[in-house]
Amino acid sequence: EVQLLESGGGLVQPGGSLKLSCAASGFRFSDYTMTWLRQAPGKGLEWVSVITGSGGSTYYADSVKGRFTISRDNSKNMLFLQMDGLRAEDTAVYYCAKEVFGAFDWGQGALVAVSS
Amino acid sequence: DIQMAQSPSSLSASVGDRVTITCRASQTISRYLNWYQQKPGKAPKLLIYEASSLQSGVPSRFSGSGSGTDFTLTISSLQPEDYATYYCQQSYSTPRWTFGPGTKVDI
Repeated sequence: EVQLLESGGGLVQPGGSLKLSCAASGFRFSDYTMTWLRQAPGKGLEWVSVITGSGGSTYYADSVKGRFTISRDNSKNMLFLQMDGLRAEDTAVYYCAKEVFGAFDWGQGALVAVSS
Repeated sequence: DIQMAQSPSSLSASVGDRVTITCRASQTISRYLNWYQQKPGKAPKLLIYEASSLQSGVPSRFSGSGSGTDFTLTISSLQPEDYATYYCQQSYSTPRWTFGPGTKVDI
Protein backbone atom coordinates (compact mmCIF):
# COMPACT_ATOMS: atom_id res chain seq x y z
CA GLU A 1 0.00 0.00 0.00
CA VAL A 2 1.30 3.43 -0.95
CA GLN A 3 1.93 5.65 2.06
CA LEU A 4 3.06 9.27 1.89
CA LEU A 5 3.56 11.19 5.12
CA GLU A 6 4.30 14.91 5.01
CA SER A 7 5.96 16.84 7.83
CA GLY A 8 7.52 20.23 8.47
CA GLY A 9 4.51 22.47 8.11
CA GLY A 10 3.79 25.36 10.45
CA LEU A 11 3.43 29.11 10.89
CA VAL A 12 6.06 31.35 9.30
CA GLN A 13 6.37 35.09 8.79
CA PRO A 14 6.26 36.65 5.33
CA GLY A 15 9.69 36.43 3.73
CA GLY A 16 10.61 33.42 5.84
CA SER A 17 11.57 29.88 4.93
CA LEU A 18 10.25 26.40 5.61
CA LYS A 19 11.23 22.92 4.44
CA LEU A 20 8.62 20.24 3.92
CA SER A 21 9.48 16.55 3.94
CA CYS A 22 7.56 13.56 2.66
CA ALA A 23 8.35 10.00 3.71
CA ALA A 24 7.30 7.44 1.12
CA SER A 25 6.70 3.72 1.51
CA GLY A 26 4.88 0.87 -0.19
CA PHE A 27 6.40 1.33 -3.63
CA ARG A 28 9.77 1.53 -5.37
CA PHE A 29 10.33 5.23 -4.74
CA SER A 30 13.13 5.82 -7.22
CA ASP A 31 10.96 4.56 -10.10
CA TYR A 32 8.40 7.33 -9.77
CA THR A 33 8.09 11.00 -10.54
CA MET A 34 6.97 12.84 -7.41
CA THR A 35 5.06 16.08 -7.08
CA TRP A 36 4.01 18.72 -4.60
CA LEU A 37 0.54 20.19 -4.88
CA ARG A 38 -1.28 22.65 -2.66
CA GLN A 39 -4.73 23.83 -1.67
CA ALA A 40 -5.33 27.25 -0.18
CA PRO A 41 -8.02 27.39 2.55
CA GLY A 42 -11.43 26.92 0.96
CA LYS A 43 -9.91 26.93 -2.53
CA GLY A 44 -9.09 24.53 -5.32
CA LEU A 45 -6.06 22.42 -6.14
CA GLU A 46 -2.80 23.71 -7.65
CA TRP A 47 0.25 21.87 -8.92
CA VAL A 48 3.46 23.34 -7.39
CA SER A 49 6.50 21.33 -8.42
CA VAL A 50 7.61 17.98 -9.86
CA ILE A 51 10.82 15.94 -9.84
CA THR A 52 11.63 12.91 -11.95
CA GLY A 53 12.57 9.58 -10.39
CA SER A 54 16.31 10.11 -10.75
CA GLY A 55 16.06 13.69 -9.56
CA GLY A 56 17.59 14.84 -12.81
CA SER A 57 14.72 17.05 -13.93
CA THR A 58 12.58 19.45 -11.97
CA TYR A 59 9.72 21.78 -12.89
CA TYR A 60 7.92 24.55 -11.06
CA ALA A 61 4.68 26.45 -11.34
CA ASP A 62 5.20 30.09 -12.30
CA SER A 63 3.80 31.15 -8.91
CA VAL A 64 6.73 29.56 -7.02
CA LYS A 65 9.57 29.56 -9.55
CA GLY A 66 12.75 31.02 -8.10
CA ARG A 67 11.48 30.69 -4.51
CA PHE A 68 10.82 26.96 -4.03
CA THR A 69 13.23 24.05 -4.58
CA ILE A 70 12.17 20.42 -4.89
CA SER A 71 14.60 17.60 -4.15
CA ARG A 72 14.62 13.92 -3.23
CA ASP A 73 16.80 11.35 -1.47
CA ASN A 74 16.14 7.99 -3.09
CA SER A 75 18.34 6.19 -0.55
CA LYS A 76 15.93 7.26 2.19
CA ASN A 77 12.68 7.33 0.18
CA MET A 78 12.25 11.01 0.99
CA LEU A 79 10.89 13.97 -0.97
CA PHE A 80 11.51 17.59 0.03
CA LEU A 81 10.27 21.08 -0.74
CA GLN A 82 12.42 24.01 0.37
CA MET A 83 10.27 27.14 0.44
CA ASP A 84 11.98 30.53 0.62
CA GLY A 85 10.61 34.04 0.32
CA LEU A 86 7.22 32.89 1.55
CA ARG A 87 4.20 35.09 0.90
CA ALA A 88 0.73 35.23 2.40
CA GLU A 89 -0.64 33.69 -0.80
CA ASP A 90 1.50 30.60 -0.20
CA THR A 91 -0.72 29.71 2.77
CA ALA A 92 -2.14 26.29 1.97
CA VAL A 93 -2.18 22.61 2.74
CA TYR A 94 0.74 21.10 0.85
CA TYR A 95 0.43 17.56 -0.43
CA CYS A 96 3.13 15.29 -1.75
CA ALA A 97 1.92 12.88 -4.39
CA LYS A 98 3.13 9.97 -6.48
CA GLU A 99 2.52 10.65 -10.14
CA VAL A 100 1.56 7.93 -12.60
CA PHE A 101 0.72 9.00 -16.16
CA GLY A 102 -0.45 12.37 -14.89
CA ALA A 103 -2.70 11.08 -12.11
CA PHE A 104 -1.87 11.46 -8.43
CA ASP A 105 -1.81 9.32 -5.30
CA TRP A 106 -1.80 11.84 -2.41
CA GLY A 107 -0.37 12.09 1.07
CA GLN A 108 -2.45 13.45 3.94
CA GLY A 109 -1.05 16.98 3.67
CA ALA A 110 0.82 19.53 5.79
CA LEU A 111 -0.48 23.00 6.60
CA VAL A 112 1.74 25.98 5.87
CA ALA A 113 0.51 29.33 7.19
CA VAL A 114 2.31 32.54 6.23
CA SER A 115 1.37 35.41 8.50
CA SER A 116 2.89 38.11 10.64
CA ASP B 1 -2.07 26.84 -19.31
CA ILE B 2 -5.12 24.74 -20.08
CA GLN B 3 -8.14 26.03 -18.17
CA MET B 4 -10.65 23.59 -16.71
CA ALA B 5 -14.27 24.47 -15.95
CA GLN B 6 -16.81 22.41 -14.03
CA SER B 7 -20.56 22.58 -13.74
CA PRO B 8 -22.45 22.85 -11.60
CA SER B 9 -20.34 24.39 -8.84
CA SER B 10 -22.60 22.69 -6.32
CA LEU B 11 -25.62 20.46 -6.29
CA SER B 12 -28.03 18.96 -3.84
CA ALA B 13 -29.06 15.35 -4.27
CA SER B 14 -30.65 12.53 -2.32
CA VAL B 15 -29.44 9.03 -1.62
CA GLY B 16 -30.20 6.88 -4.65
CA ASP B 17 -30.14 9.78 -7.13
CA ARG B 18 -28.18 9.67 -10.35
CA VAL B 19 -25.65 12.52 -10.33
CA THR B 20 -23.79 13.93 -13.32
CA ILE B 21 -20.94 16.45 -13.16
CA THR B 22 -19.43 17.99 -16.28
CA CYS B 23 -15.92 19.22 -16.97
CA ARG B 24 -14.78 21.26 -19.95
CA ALA B 25 -11.22 21.97 -21.07
CA SER B 26 -10.17 25.18 -22.81
CA GLN B 27 -8.52 23.13 -25.57
CA THR B 28 -8.61 19.53 -26.66
CA ILE B 29 -6.99 17.14 -24.20
CA SER B 30 -7.84 13.83 -25.90
CA ARG B 31 -8.75 11.51 -23.01
CA TYR B 32 -6.17 12.85 -20.55
CA LEU B 33 -8.70 13.63 -17.84
CA ASN B 34 -8.81 12.42 -14.25
CA TRP B 35 -11.47 12.74 -11.54
CA TYR B 36 -10.89 13.03 -7.79
CA GLN B 37 -13.12 12.96 -4.72
CA GLN B 38 -12.26 15.07 -1.68
CA LYS B 39 -13.97 14.95 1.69
CA PRO B 40 -13.55 17.76 4.25
CA GLY B 41 -10.15 17.72 5.91
CA LYS B 42 -8.93 14.87 3.73
CA ALA B 43 -6.66 14.53 0.72
CA PRO B 44 -8.16 14.05 -2.74
CA LYS B 45 -8.68 10.47 -3.85
CA LEU B 46 -8.33 9.33 -7.45
CA LEU B 47 -11.59 7.89 -8.82
CA ILE B 48 -11.23 7.84 -12.61
CA TYR B 49 -8.15 8.17 -14.84
CA GLU B 50 -7.86 8.66 -18.58
CA ALA B 51 -11.48 9.78 -18.77
CA SER B 52 -13.16 6.44 -18.15
CA SER B 53 -10.85 3.97 -16.35
CA LEU B 54 -11.97 3.15 -12.82
CA GLN B 55 -9.19 3.28 -10.23
CA SER B 56 -8.72 0.03 -8.30
CA GLY B 57 -11.00 -0.17 -5.28
CA VAL B 58 -13.44 2.52 -6.45
CA PRO B 59 -17.09 1.40 -6.50
CA SER B 60 -18.58 0.68 -9.90
CA ARG B 61 -21.35 3.26 -9.38
CA PHE B 62 -18.73 5.82 -10.45
CA SER B 63 -18.13 6.16 -14.17
CA GLY B 64 -16.52 8.65 -16.50
CA SER B 65 -16.90 9.48 -20.15
CA GLY B 66 -15.86 11.98 -22.78
CA SER B 67 -12.97 13.01 -24.97
CA GLY B 68 -11.62 16.15 -26.57
CA THR B 69 -12.90 19.01 -24.46
CA ASP B 70 -16.06 17.69 -22.77
CA PHE B 71 -16.19 15.11 -20.01
CA THR B 72 -18.66 13.79 -17.45
CA LEU B 73 -18.48 12.02 -14.11
CA THR B 74 -21.59 10.02 -13.22
CA ILE B 75 -22.59 8.51 -9.91
CA SER B 76 -25.32 6.02 -10.79
CA SER B 77 -26.89 5.77 -7.33
CA LEU B 78 -25.66 8.28 -4.77
CA GLN B 79 -24.63 6.82 -1.43
CA PRO B 80 -24.20 8.66 1.91
CA GLU B 81 -20.41 8.33 1.68
CA ASP B 82 -20.40 10.07 -1.71
CA TYR B 83 -21.14 13.51 -0.29
CA ALA B 84 -17.93 15.33 -1.14
CA THR B 85 -16.30 17.75 -3.56
CA TYR B 86 -15.28 16.40 -6.96
CA TYR B 87 -12.45 17.79 -9.08
CA CYS B 88 -11.43 17.13 -12.66
CA GLN B 89 -7.78 17.43 -13.71
CA GLN B 90 -6.13 17.45 -17.12
CA SER B 91 -2.98 15.40 -17.61
CA TYR B 92 -2.48 16.36 -21.26
CA SER B 93 -0.13 19.24 -20.60
CA THR B 94 2.58 17.54 -18.54
CA PRO B 95 3.83 18.77 -16.12
CA ARG B 96 1.62 21.85 -16.21
CA TRP B 97 -1.36 19.97 -14.84
CA THR B 98 -4.46 21.97 -13.98
CA PHE B 99 -7.61 21.27 -12.02
CA GLY B 100 -11.21 22.33 -12.29
CA PRO B 101 -12.67 24.50 -9.50
CA GLY B 102 -14.64 21.63 -8.01
CA THR B 103 -18.25 20.52 -7.65
CA LYS B 104 -19.66 20.15 -4.15
CA VAL B 105 -22.27 17.42 -3.76
CA ASP B 106 -24.45 17.71 -0.69
CA ILE B 107 -27.90 16.95 0.59
